[in-house]
Amino acid sequence: SQTIHQWPATLVQPVGSPLSLECTVEGTSNPNLYWYRQAAGRGLQLLFYSVGIGQISSEVPQNLSASRPQDRQFILSSKKLLLSDSGFYLCAYRKIGGGYYEQYFGPGTRLTVT
Amino acid sequence: AQSVTQLDSQVPVFEEAPVELRCNYSSSVSVYLFWYVQYPNQGLQLLLKYLSGSTLVKGINGFEAEFNKSQTSFHLRKPSVHISDTAEYFCAVSVLTGGGNKLTFGTGTQLKVEL
Repeated sequence: SQTIHQWPATLVQPVGSPLSLECTVEGTSNPNLYWYRQAAGRGLQLLFYSVGIGQISSEVPQNLSASRPQDRQFILSSKKLLLSDSGFYLCAYRKIGGGYYEQYFGPGTRLTVT
Repeated sequence: AQSVTQLDSQVPVFEEAPVELRCNYSSSVSVYLFWYVQYPNQGLQLLLKYLSGSTLVKGINGFEAEFNKSQTSFHLRKPSVHISDTAEYFCAVSVLTGGGNKLTFGTGTQLKVEL
């Protein structure tokens, strides 16, 4: 079976500090990977997705970036956090092949920028 | 581009009563449809999906949804809710693209089950 991990679970960071959130998937190869942000009381906004190692597509302009250094590792980063970066960050994956179109989500990281 | 509308931001209901959470979508191409549930401070869990075939799909926890192409709807139903069903529910639509499929989510419906 497949598993998706995210860490840390919670994070409090001051404005202007760097950020690194990590997501790893187990049990499947070459998945599509996604980063979403969920602001308080709002839906999910797709930030980045990746179809392979080193292949990143950005959905919205922002001060965040993403990288995929390994097949099942997806990292969300920022050099300098803004207050508006606060939110709940969710990583998701989609299995490739076999008619899988749904995405499976990790437990999320709650980021508070102070 | 596709979009998803969940008209009800909150739905209060008494325990053991039936419930329907509404979802409408718009797309110029064929879509795949999903319902997810989110409990506080947790990730999203897939409830059910419609890819093709029978328009009535059954999911986990006793939920079901019906795809109506003419009305572009995918409403979620449960005949008898439980306190534990209190959560946020998201409808999502997926369109395959050359760069991998992407999900577009509605803004969510908060289901509050009361005694």
